Amino acid sequence: GENVEQHPSTLSVQEGDSAVIKCTYSDSASNYFPWYKQELGKGPQLIIDIRSNVGEKKDQRIAVTLNKTAKHFSLHITETQPEDSAVYFCAASKRDDKIIFGKGTRLHILP
Amino acid sequence: DAGVIQSPRHEVTEMGQEVTLRCKPISGHNSLFWYRQTMMRGLELLIYFNNNVPIDDSGMPEDRFSAKMPNASFSTLKIQPSEPRDSAVYFCASTSRQGGDTQYFGPGTRLTVL
Repeated sequence: GENVEQHPSTLSVQEGDSAVIKCTYSDSASNYFPWYKQELGKGPQLIIDIRSNVGEKKDQRIAVTLNKTAKHFSLHITETQPEDSAVYFCAASKRDDKIIFGKGTRLHILP
Repeated sequence: DAGVIQSPRHEVTEMGQEVTLRCKPISGHNSLFWYRQTMMRGLELLIYFNNNVPIDDSGMPEDRFSAKMPNASFSTLKIQPSEPRDSAVYFCASTSRQGGDTQYFGPGTRLTVL
């Protein structure tokens, strides 16, 4: 079955700097890669996703990249702000199958 | 839309008691997922339903756990008897298409078993 590895488990960056979270997946048939943000006391919420026919997708300060050959995908947050502090999860799935989540990255934005 | 609704939000119970967690998915969604989140194991999928039918329950830890979805607007996760190691946050999520579509999570139920 699918296995998703996520790194780092904890990341601290200065406010205004960029943050990068990386994930790898094992099943080459996976074709959908969402990223979720979980704030304290809340359920995970989708922030951006990418499908296997696209290499990069951007939404304001957030971007995701996908390398199908290497089975890598990454989340990039630029100009980080205090409200970006949260736990971020990457995930992978294939059509009509369950989503497999990474273990999460706790992002701290330092003032 | 009210989003995914879970109840109760917090549950404290004693070992051996029965616990029932409830979930109302977003109207029109036909897939429902139950997850468990702990510090040690992260977010684990317990079971998911498609059109009220259980599709994959391989994540259910043991026979003490059971889940039902009697109709499209309601699901329960039951633990009987509960144990301290069941303490976790339990999330319900729904989606409009099985796999490959956004999962909308509820606020979770924080379960503490003493």
